[in-house]
Amino acid sequence: EVQLVESGGGLVQPGRSLKLSCAASGFTFSNYYMAWVRQAPTKGLEWVASITNSGGSTYYRDSVKGRFTISRDNAKSTLYLQMDSLRSEDTATYYCTRVVYYSGDGYYFDYWGQGVMVTVSS
Amino acid sequence: DIVLTQSPVLAVSLGQRATISCRASQSVSISSINLMHWYQQKPGQQPKLLIYRASNLASGIPARFSGSGSGTDFTLTIDPVQADDIAAYYCQQSRESPWTFGGGTKLELK
Repeated sequence: EVQLVESGGGLVQPGRSLKLSCAASGFTFSNYYMAWVRQAPTKGLEWVASITNSGGSTYYRDSVKGRFTISRDNAKSTLYLQMDSLRSEDTATYYCTRVVYYSGDGYYFDYWGQGVMVTVSS
Repeated sequence: DIVLTQSPVLAVSLGQRATISCRASQSVSISSINLMHWYQQKPGQQPKLLIYRASNLASGIPARFSGSGSGTDFTLTIDPVQADDIAAYYCQQSRESPWTFGGGTKLELK
């Protein structure tokens, strides 16, 4: 059974940093792209960042580029999101997701963790 | 960015058909491949993949769910609606990055 378990969320002041982790199990982690998707309170879903299966390439939405860093440790089957210079608009539940990607054939999120809340407030 | 537009709320009776629409600001199809996907999110839970590439049922999803469409207009159909289907439904495109989601349609009971 595929499981994605996030941790590391909490309350943080604007301008500070936080690092999220996602422990994966039930599948061969190193075979899959992974991503973070967030959801602000009572709002819709927003893709944040993705990483290739080897970790060699990363992709970000413009609003987090230069502030967030996605990474992975395939030996530990763990995905990370380092969030620096946090802003109030980053307040959201952050979901770790497994990506299904075939070139020209789609890019979607087939498994989601339960999510971890990040609140940016003074 | 490709903008996906969904109606915020759809009221339906149990046992009836629900049709949820998603309109893209530009085509999300390449040749015959429709790069639109659908998710269900129940209150307090994480989203779940329902349909991928417009019409393919994800693993474990009941056959009362179906998807259709191409180009800019896509539809998720639930027939018949059951009480367990009360949730928010989101479309997502993968035609180009950034991958974007619709604002969601909340399915409510009439």
